[in-house]
Amino acid sequence: AQSVTQLDSHVSVSEGTPVLLRCNYSSSYSPSLFWYVQHPNKGLQLLLKYTSAATLVKGINGFEAEFKKSETSFHLTKPSAHMSDAAEYFCVVRIDRGSTLGRLYFGRGTQLTVWP
Amino acid sequence: GAVVSQHPSRVICKSGTSVKIECRSLDFQATTMFWYRQFPKQSLMLMATSNEGSKATYEQGVEKDKFLINHASLTLSTLTVTSAHPEDSSFYICSARVGSAMSSSYEQYFGPGTRLTVT
Repeated sequence: AQSVTQLDSHVSVSEGTPVLLRCNYSSSYSPSLFWYVQHPNKGLQLLLKYTSAATLVKGINGFEAEFKKSETSFHLTKPSAHMSDAAEYFCVVRIDRGSTLGRLYFGRGTQLTVWP
Repeated sequence: GAVVSQHPSRVICKSGTSVKIECRSLDFQATTMFWYRQFPKQSLMLMATSNEGSKATYEQGVEKDKFLINHASLTLSTLTVTSAHPEDSSFYICSARVGSAMSSSYEQYFGPGTRLTVT
């Protein structure tokens, strides 16, 4: 069975401090992993993705994530938060084998608040 | 880059009426499109998967007669909410996939969403 767990529903940081959004997954197969950001009343924008290449993935806007198979984790980080980073973030798993080929599994989301 | 558009971005309709939402892939052909529903402060829930020229595959619990999906071309899919009721009020997001799922080297792009309010 496949599942995605975002460990924090809300994260609050001060502008200029590091951001850590945690994601763990469960998958029967080696997954592809994504982080998306959603601003209010907007669609999803892809931040970065892991598809079995380098385990440290760099994305847009200074975000990066590291795939750790032993920990089944794909945490999202940014060294220094900006006010514009305030949004909802979704960790997503895609299964590329088996009966659920191509299906996306969404985490419940983490709301990031950035204080001035 | 690949762009998916949705129209309208917001719609308000009266209870009992039907409303159509369009999803277009602007600069690529999408063999598969997806429709998601998102409740406030919640994640996306897959409603259905549609392949061009075929009937849509609905997720368990989604009423196919209420949420009519048509995928008439490689660049257009429509979702029609029939006989809408206030509980159908939600944020609807479409997504289009480029490439074959069998290859695993494909991308899925999301539209900006449509806010439906049924009064």
